[in-house]
Amino acid sequence: GDSVTQMEGPVTLSEEAFLTINCTYTATGYPSLFWYVQYPGEGLQLLLKATKADDKGSNKGFEATYRKETTSFHLEKGSVQVSDSAVYFCALIEGGGSQGNLIFGKGTKLSVKP
Amino acid sequence: EAGVVQSPRYKIIEKKQPVAFWCNPISGHNTLYWYRQNLGQGPELLIRYENEEAVDDSQLPKDRFSAERLKGVDSTLKIQPAELGDSAVYLCASIKAGTATPAFFGQGTRLTVV
Repeated sequence: GDSVTQMEGPVTLSEEAFLTINCTYTATGYPSLFWYVQYPGEGLQLLLKATKADDKGSNKGFEATYRKETTSFHLEKGSVQVSDSAVYFCALIEGGGSQGNLIFGKGTKLSVKP
Repeated sequence: EAGVVQSPRYKIIEKKQPVAFWCNPISGHNTLYWYRQNLGQGPELLIRYENEEAVDDSQLPKDRFSAERLKGVDSTLKIQPAELGDSAVYLCASIKAGTATPAFFGQGTRLTVV
């Protein structure tokens, strides 16, 4: 079945550092791709998404580009803040399209130090 | 618009006891998911409903877990009897199938089996 692989954490950065969290996927067809974020003590929230190749999702300074050739959807932010400390999950909708099982990676914990 | 509502938020039970979780999805969202999230891991799909039909329950441990969504709206997930290894956060999510909208998650129910 379809799957998502994320870089293992935890990732610890200083404030204003550049962030990259790697995500690659294995899927049939061209799935919609997502990044979800889970702040301490809170539920999962959608951070950004991309539904087709070369799409760039962006939100709150975070960006990720759907790369079909490398089956990747890496999350980036140019300057992280302490408030970005959270667990980040890469996900896809299995089977392609926008209907199906939502499959998650294991998550990457980010800690940002002042 | 109200989000996905889950109850209870927390539940502590002794092993071998039954437990039930309830989820009310966003109005109009016909797809409903139940996930289990173990500590430090990504959410793992248990079951997916399209309206009142369970279209994928392949990951649901059917010897002790059951779920229902009788009218295609709210849903209940039950464990009977609970085991120590069932301690986790149980998440419910909903999505409007066939659209580009993302899945929205509830706050989850944290289950502790002692």
